[in-house]
Amino acid sequence: DAGVIQSPRHEVTEMGQEVTLRCKPISGHNSLFWYRQTMMRGLELLIYFNNNVPIDDSGMPEDRFSAKMPNASFSTLKIQPSEPRDSAVYFCASSFAGNDEQYFGPGTRLTVT
Amino acid sequence: QKEVEQDPGPLSVPEGAIVSLNCTYSNSAFQYFMWYRQYSRKGPELLMYTYSSGNKEDGRFTAQVDKSSKYISLFIRDSQPSDSATYLCAMRSTGNQFYFGTGTSLTVIP
Repeated sequence: DAGVIQSPRHEVTEMGQEVTLRCKPISGHNSLFWYRQTMMRGLELLIYFNNNVPIDDSGMPEDRFSAKMPNASFSTLKIQPSEPRDSAVYFCASSFAGNDEQYFGPGTRLTVT
Repeated sequence: QKEVEQDPGPLSVPEGAIVSLNCTYSNSAFQYFMWYRQYSRKGPELLMYTYSSGNKEDGRFTAQVDKSSKYISLFIRDSQPSDSATYLCAMRSTGNQFYFGTGTSLTVIP
């Protein structure tokens, strides 16, 4: 298995631009998580899905952030418009629901100038 | 107050030393406790998992949970340079939402 796949690995964009991050979970996993990691705040859960349905999006910082999971093998996290304070590493993770081992992707390093 | 507190370090030890990493938490409903290891520019990977209070040992690693004190620890014996990484504690209650510490950066010097 290739593990959790994220793209792009690096993204540099200007303030105000739309950013779309992509994630392909491990085949067969039915829970998917989006996290943001910064030095100051550590790893923060943004949103998670069970069986493609958003369960808890209370970690989404503001309306500029949105996430979708149209099918079991694909999810997106969109930021529109992006701001410099959104600069961080964004991780996607997947697991079997109820299993505590989350498998993380390699992350997308986002820089907003 | 944050749900989970973890000293960010950095921690630097000589090879062969015993390392102690710790987290405190405020939510008494947490029942599942995990330690993740994160190498530079990689995603975290699960290292240890414990349920409720007690100890769990896996090779050179021992995880301890003291629910009465709301305190968890990870001990690394005979530390190796390959143990150099950031260690994150994580925990959850009965729901599926994990709460992570900010991570402790560890360097083991050969």
